[in-house]
Amino acid sequence: NAGVTQTPKFQVLKTGQSMTLQCAQDMNHNSMYWYRQDPGMGLRLIYYSASEGTTDKGEVPNGYNVSRLNKREFSLRLESAAPSQTSVYFCASSSQGGETQYFGPGTRLLVL
Amino acid sequence: AQKVTQAQTEISVVEKEDVTLDCVYETRDTTYYLFWYKQPPSGELVFLIRRNSFDEQNEISGRYSWNFQKSTSSFNFTITASQVVDSAVYFCALSEAWYAGNNRKLIWGLGTSLAVNP
Repeated sequence: NAGVTQTPKFQVLKTGQSMTLQCAQDMNHNSMYWYRQDPGMGLRLIYYSASEGTTDKGEVPNGYNVSRLNKREFSLRLESAAPSQTSVYFCASSSQGGETQYFGPGTRLLVL
Repeated sequence: AQKVTQAQTEISVVEKEDVTLDCVYETRDTTYYLFWYKQPPSGELVFLIRRNSFDEQNEISGRYSWNFQKSTSSFNFTITASQVVDSAVYFCALSEAWYAGNNRKLIWGLGTSLAVNP
């Protein structure tokens, strides 16, 4: 089992460019999450999907969109990247909301 | 409102010392989970333990132990005889209230950075 996988591992964008971060899990989990991690700010929830077919905003959704493509996959899109979106992005999944979350390896994003 | 506080931002110890990482939480819920995660310098987030609010027994796993005290709303993590490989950021988290149903999320502390020096 791969657990939670994320692609890419590292990306450099110019301001205004768009990109999609991909996340997939093979644990048959219902719930999936996107976080960003910035120094001194811990983990902040961007969007989550409690179950297939639903998505909801977290603490810091501005500038992002998500798609729960199917039960396995949950993607995060930056439509017009800004330097403030330079961060490490983590995808996570859990069997249900509030249960143990398992994390992907992270994507380091640098927006110039 | 639910909240998790990890008051220790950074801790530095010498190898073989024991170290305790504090976690204090706030919740009005009677049923909840508490978690600890480890983030080593390589960056991945590793799940360490989950505790149900009904189970106040202390847990020990090798050099790691956890002390859950509902009376003080604390879930502290102790590393005995610390090693350099224990150097990491450690996060404590609380599951959101049960009435949120499947929309429950985890509420995270800001983490404690532990440096174990040789």
